[in-house]
Amino acid sequence: GESVGLHLPTLSVQEGDNSIINCAYSNSASDYFIWYKQESGKGPQFIIDIRSNMDKRQGQRVTVLLNKTVKHLSLQIAATQPGDSAVYFCAEITNRDDKIIFGKGTRLHILP
Amino acid sequence: EPEVTQTPSHQVTQMGQEVILRCVPISNHLYFYWYRQILGQKVEFLVSFYNNEISEKSEIFDDQFSVERPDGSNFTLKIRSTKLEDSAMYFCASTTGQDQPQHFGDGTRLSIL
Repeated sequence: GESVGLHLPTLSVQEGDNSIINCAYSNSASDYFIWYKQESGKGPQFIIDIRSNMDKRQGQRVTVLLNKTVKHLSLQIAATQPGDSAVYFCAEITNRDDKIIFGKGTRLHILP
Repeated sequence: EPEVTQTPSHQVTQMGQEVILRCVPISNHLYFYWYRQILGQKVEFLVSFYNNEISEKSEIFDDQFSVERPDGSNFTLKIRSTKLEDSAMYFCASTTGQDQPQHFGDGTRLSIL
């Protein structure tokens, strides 16, 4: 069935280092992918998106990579800061419908 | 920056009672959604709404659930007879188009006693 998952439930990174959060998806019909950040007590916050006709997209301090061959999505955060502490979800949307399918999330801990 | 706003932030209700969760989507958005998140779990889709009707709903969205856009700004989720397992965070989201990112509110924590 359709599913989106992340490889690690928790990731600890030293402040200032780069973070890489990975995600595997299983639905080859998915053509739009989004990374969301969820801080404690808040709703998911849009970070960056990518469409299936691209393999890389860059934002401010963040980069998303899409590998359709192995159905893999990753989020890279440069120079990780304490404010990056949150749970990160990858999510997918297929062109047949508009609901978001979320993965389970990776909690990013920033070490001082 | 425009935001999706949800009220109340926390709702405590006795089992079997009706509850209405309220959302004000971003004003120029046309597509509206409800999701829920049980504590410690992933966010799950409940229902999508466009042009004053439900576009899609999940298995969770049974006959006890309904949605309404009573005026030009509000979007509500009603649970007719709440159960203990309805306890969760409920998030509203909206977007301008199906190929655009959905923007989420900060949720309503629903606690069923």
